[in-house]
Amino acid sequence: DTAVSQTPKYLVTQMGNDKSIKCEQNLGHDTMYWYKQDSKKFLKIMFSYNNKELIINETVPNRFSPKSPDKAHLNLHINSLELGDSAVYFCASSQGPFDNNEQFFGPGTRLTVL
Amino acid sequence: AQKVTQAQTEISVVEKEDVTLDCVYETRDTTYYLFWYKQPPSGELVFLIRRNSFDEQNEISGRYSWNFQKSTSSFNFTITASQVVDSAVYFCALSDLIYNQGGKLIFGQGTELSVKP
Repeated sequence: DTAVSQTPKYLVTQMGNDKSIKCEQNLGHDTMYWYKQDSKKFLKIMFSYNNKELIINETVPNRFSPKSPDKAHLNLHINSLELGDSAVYFCASSQGPFDNNEQFFGPGTRLTVL
Repeated sequence: AQKVTQAQTEISVVEKEDVTLDCVYETRDTTYYLFWYKQPPSGELVFLIRRNSFDEQNEISGRYSWNFQKSTSSFNFTITASQVVDSAVYFCALSDLIYNQGGKLIFGQGTELSVKP
């Protein structure tokens, strides 16, 4: 009965590979997000989707492609992985994009690119 | 521009001490929301509080209290009688309406609190 879940929890891969991270929320929320936390713990928004529509794209390289098959899922696909992509990626959800309610975060996916 | 500054990178206290984590924010919007999140060593992000810009009342929840002052653009967080379990990284975050469509959170750099027994 986890509210926001992500798989996998850890991902170790080689440079140049393509990988995906999956996120699901069972809170009935309309809006989902991807955040990146770098090695200095700094958290920054990457994408936001509302009812499967992209509403925020924070100048993320186009090697990163989010996909939302339905409003309960927001997956993140990364092509041609680079060393600098190593980070913890957090998925989050909230009731809506414009009501500024609290965001519920998943447990994070630690991506290591070798 | 929107910005959140947590000037204290690391704080170390001994158990039972009170500790205040500072947060200063910048926004041009008159309607905005401030948040605190806790990230314990296990890594998850735990929501602590949300406060809107029209509500300057201080809030207390058990050993936690928050002081919101619009005059100084600050939203400080105090832990009273700290415990080892309070050891974590604490993030202050801002979300506004006009300049921040989509509900994204602008996070501060985080303050790592270490409570020693």
